[in-house]
Amino acid sequence: GQNIDQPTEMTATEGAIVQINCTYQTSGFNGLFWYQQHAGEAPTFLSYNVLDGLEEKGRFSSFLSRSKGYSYLLLKELQMKDSASYLCAVRDSNYQLIWGAGTKLIIKP
Amino acid sequence: NAGVTQTPKFRVLKTGQSMTLLCAQDMNHEYMYWYRQDPGMGLRLIHYSVGEGTTAKGEVPDGYNVSRLKKQNFLLGLESAAPSQTSVYFCASRRPQETGELFFGEGSRLTVL
Repeated sequence: GQNIDQPTEMTATEGAIVQINCTYQTSGFNGLFWYQQHAGEAPTFLSYNVLDGLEEKGRFSSFLSRSKGYSYLLLKELQMKDSASYLCAVRDSNYQLIWGAGTKLIIKP
Repeated sequence: NAGVTQTPKFRVLKTGQSMTLLCAQDMNHEYMYWYRQDPGMGLRLIHYSVGEGTTAKGEVPDGYNVSRLKKQNFLLGLESAAPSQTSVYFCASRRPQETGELFFGEGSRLTVL
């Protein structure tokens, strides 16, 4: 079966760095996405990785290792507004997205 | 630019009632999707469409029907609502390019009693 695993919840301190991991087992791979979802709101796109390595976009970076079925989202200089759920999704061989359950990130002052 | 708009935002139904959720996008996107989001689970695809007049089943299509008569609209219907269909429903759209990020509507919270 297809599976995306991410931690259910993480806590971090304002101004610090946090890494949210995502491991996947899917039938084929055509890219990995990270989305941010604030409570009661819609998911919004953060990043896309299809090749191994690190993609940096401001305070957020996303890493992919296809051989290990692993990705992480790195958030630097955490702000209170970063409190949200972070969703990992993998596009499989049929170009359908398989979604993880999301990681709820709590930022403390 | 409104993006993706869903109506209604909230609805309470009794078991057996029917209803339709409307999704409208003004970005001229080819692909449109209906997802449901339940606590502790990832987004699950109900139905999707790759163009006007076409629809296809996703992971959890039972109990739902869809129509895409116009490119900008994607309707999700529940013919006979069941408590198991209590959920938050999200519509999304995207262009068919490789990166293809999804643009989501604000969600529709449906409760079936």
